[in-house]
Amino acid sequence: DTAVSQTPKYLVTQMGNDKSIKCEQNLGHDTMYWYKQDSKKFLKIMFSYNNKELIINETVPNRFSPKSPDKAHLNLHINSLELGDSAVYFCASSQQQVAYEQYFGPGTRLTVT
Amino acid sequence: KNEVEQSPQNLTAQEGEFITINCSYSVGISALHWLQQHPGGGIVSLFMLSSGKKKHGRLIATINIQEKHSSLHITASHPRDSAVYICAVVQGGSEKLVFGKGTKLTVNP
Repeated sequence: DTAVSQTPKYLVTQMGNDKSIKCEQNLGHDTMYWYKQDSKKFLKIMFSYNNKELIINETVPNRFSPKSPDKAHLNLHINSLELGDSAVYFCASSQQQVAYEQYFGPGTRLTVT
Repeated sequence: KNEVEQSPQNLTAQEGEFITINCSYSVGISALHWLQQHPGGGIVSLFMLSSGKKKHGRLIATINIQEKHSSLHITASHPRDSAVYICAVVQGGSEKLVFGKGTKLTVNP
């Protein structure tokens, strides 16, 4: 059973479209995250949710909106996609907050053409 | 300058060699993570430490809070250790993970 799963694994779309990436964890963790890994492989946190409540909202364009329907799910919706949004997006979870071991999903490679 | 600096950026070793990857940071932290990113892209947590030393198999991680420095050691390296190793710190007073740029390790047979 996959601990942290993301769908889709690959997403190719055109500029201006709206898309969503879904994340689910079956570890019973309270905290979930979205990270972006750019073309230089540099990871950066985007959002963190603890028990469905937004904890961290980094300097991310407001075209990105996370949604946590319950503490096992954290989805990422992106409006009006731009070329610069092309990256790998990783979801992760931890037992409590960030000083605990992080479990990562397999990543979603988003390509905007 | 990044708040978390790793060295070296790239490292090539022969199978069996002892490997050291360094991480220095400039901010106060509450914890430090070492992560491994496989060539296929998956990320695995290796260690989370806030003081001292941890060991898991052939991997050892140490941290010196006063010197703001951590090291990841791999003993008896193997080609399957080839990956990118990423240091990330938990900034004190926040719940934010700040990442280093990673060290790409290649272990040749």
